[in-house]
Amino acid sequence: GENVEQHPSTLSVQEGDSAVIKCTYSDSASNYFPWYKQELGKRPQLIIDIRSNVGEKKDQRIAVTLNKTAKHFSLHITETQPEDSAVYFCASQGGGSNYKLTFGKGTLLTVNP
Amino acid sequence: GAVVSQHPSWVICKSGTSVKIECRSLDFQATTMFWYRQFPKQSLMLMATSNEGSKATYEQGVEKDKFLINHASLTLSTLTVTSAHPEDSSFYICSAPGQVIYEQYFGPGTRLTVT
Repeated sequence: GENVEQHPSTLSVQEGDSAVIKCTYSDSASNYFPWYKQELGKRPQLIIDIRSNVGEKKDQRIAVTLNKTAKHFSLHITETQPEDSAVYFCASQGGGSNYKLTFGKGTLLTVNP
Repeated sequence: GAVVSQHPSWVICKSGTSVKIECRSLDFQATTMFWYRQFPKQSLMLMATSNEGSKATYEQGVEKDKFLINHASLTLSTLTVTSAHPEDSSFYICSAPGQVIYEQYFGPGTRLTVT
């Protein structure tokens, strides 16, 4: 089955700095890669996603890049703010109508004021 | 957007008892729903895929006789943790694919504590 590796497991940055989280996946048939932000005790919240036919996507301070050949994708957050502090998960979804998501182990991002 | 609800939001039960968790799609129909378990400071692990009108598909290592899943209607899936033990204490989250391909909506989660 699919395996998703996520790094780093913890990331501490100063407010205003950029944060980058990287993921790799194993199944070349995976075609959808969402990123979720999860606050303690809450449900995962989709913050950005990318499909396999796109190399990069940006939404204000958040961007995601995808390299299908290398099977890795990354989350970039610019101008970080304390409210960005949370756990971030990458995930991959297989092809077809499966809809199954495989999650990375998560990154605890701390933005220090 | 589509809304998925879960009930209860938290539950405490004694070891050996059974607990039922409900997952509902409120404004859309879901022939498939997913159940995840999340231990503290860990990731979401898919337990099973719930299929309306048919048997659930369990992930490797998940005991189907312990985690009973019923998907009796297009808007409701239930997860019953039978003979619960303290090691079953976890955050259980369901999700359902939306009407638009690739969308998936998560329930708010159920915190289960087994004493």
